[in-house]
Amino acid sequence: ETGVTQSPTHLIKTRGQQVTLRCSSQSGHNTVSWYQQALGQGPQFIFQYYREEENGRGNFPPRFSGLQFPNYSSELNVNALELDDSALYLCASRAPGLAGVGDTQYFGPGTRLTVL
Amino acid sequence: GESVGLHLPTLSVQEGDNSIINCAYSNSASDYFIWYKQESGKGPQFIIDIRSNMDKRQGQRVTVLLNKTVKHLSLQIAATQPGDSAVYFCAERGHSGYSTLTFGKGTMLLVSP
Repeated sequence: ETGVTQSPTHLIKTRGQQVTLRCSSQSGHNTVSWYQQALGQGPQFIFQYYREEENGRGNFPPRFSGLQFPNYSSELNVNALELDDSALYLCASRAPGLAGVGDTQYFGPGTRLTVL
Repeated sequence: GESVGLHLPTLSVQEGDNSIINCAYSNSASDYFIWYKQESGKGPQFIIDIRSNMDKRQGQRVTVLLNKTVKHLSLQIAATQPGDSAVYFCAERGHSGYSTLTFGKGTMLLVSP
């Protein structure tokens, strides 16, 4: 598989709560991106981390935050959960040149978050 | 705004047929494109990619064609199998310095035995 793992697989929260999702990438994959995928839609870019710093962000509010650690793991934190936050959250890691063409991103299986 | 879209939301084919999934993109500055396959309950799986300086790239049973003149991308799957049934996404990377991908909504491929 891709070598990217995510936990937990499924999660149920209530509106207003906070959640932390985790991702573990392969050694050497120093760039990690997080995406939100609503049902029936394509993934939407949340933000990207490179060498433990955020270096790109999509159209998501500040209550979406993240961390990247030296051991190639990362977290996505969402505060003050809203019903519309219910989605599949995907992390993707990148090792330049792995595919021989470009900056291929390899996705984990995702965490299904349900907000009630 | 910039977008990546697909012409057909659902494509139904018979096993053994060749499948063609199309994608239109609007960001002329995009320099890299990827096709992903997503099965139910799983994350997107890399299929094949192509840089903007290429017109065609082939993999095992798959070919990606890029027409920059009309901003069109296609994925051809030869001898389609039931295991190919999934949602297929094209994604583009804008020339922003990030590896951020913009995805289309996806095409469902249904392969009948």
